[in-house]
Amino acid sequence: DADVTQTPRNRITKTGKRIMLECSQTKGHDRMYWYRQDPGLGLRLIYYSFDVKDINKGEISDGYSVSRQAQAKFSLSLESAIPNQTALYFCATRPSGSTDTQYFGPGTRLTVL
Amino acid sequence: DQQVKQNSPSLSVQEGRISILNCDYTNSMFDYFLWYKKYPAEGPTFLISISSIKDKNEDGRFTVFLNKSAKHLSLHIVPSQPGDSAVYFCAARRSGGGADGLTFGKGTHLIIQP
Repeated sequence: DADVTQTPRNRITKTGKRIMLECSQTKGHDRMYWYRQDPGLGLRLIYYSFDVKDINKGEISDGYSVSRQAQAKFSLSLESAIPNQTALYFCATRPSGSTDTQYFGPGTRLTVL
Repeated sequence: DQQVKQNSPSLSVQEGRISILNCDYTNSMFDYFLWYKKYPAEGPTFLISISSIKDKNEDGRFTVFLNKSAKHLSLHIVPSQPGDSAVYFCAARRSGGGADGLTFGKGTHLIIQP
């Protein structure tokens, strides 16, 4: 079983619609992250969470919001989707401590028409 | 302003030879560097990392070298195998300031030729 799962894996939606992407992990890590990847670009950080009560903006948070419902769940919302939010979205986790290794989910491919 | 740069979008290497992937960074506050490997339709998977207090880290066929004065790191894969064909991302973490998350390069698509 995968340690970090993302749902849905693929989604096509229309401009102006509200979309939620969900991430769950069974690794017991307290830190969780959302990244997006655009063609020809690396991953860019949207939001991250140190724990349930600690949410922080990343490099490109405009147009996005997040919710950490439990230690194992971190969801990303697009309140009103726009075409330039078409991208591949990755969730990641890591334990607090000395290691900086993050563990990634399989990704959600989102297309906004 | 790109803080982590991978200037080679793609690299083709013959099976059995050495693959060398390069990465440059501009932020002196980065203190931990990682390489991730990504296959199509999958998330990135961790490959190897190095702390800024070291200049080399080795794990099997994979070795990462760090040159702090040049702000340059490289990943060596030897011998290269067909399964190594993937996109490789260099990533860095900034120390201090309470911030978290990794800064990624654009990736290098490594193609291992039989």
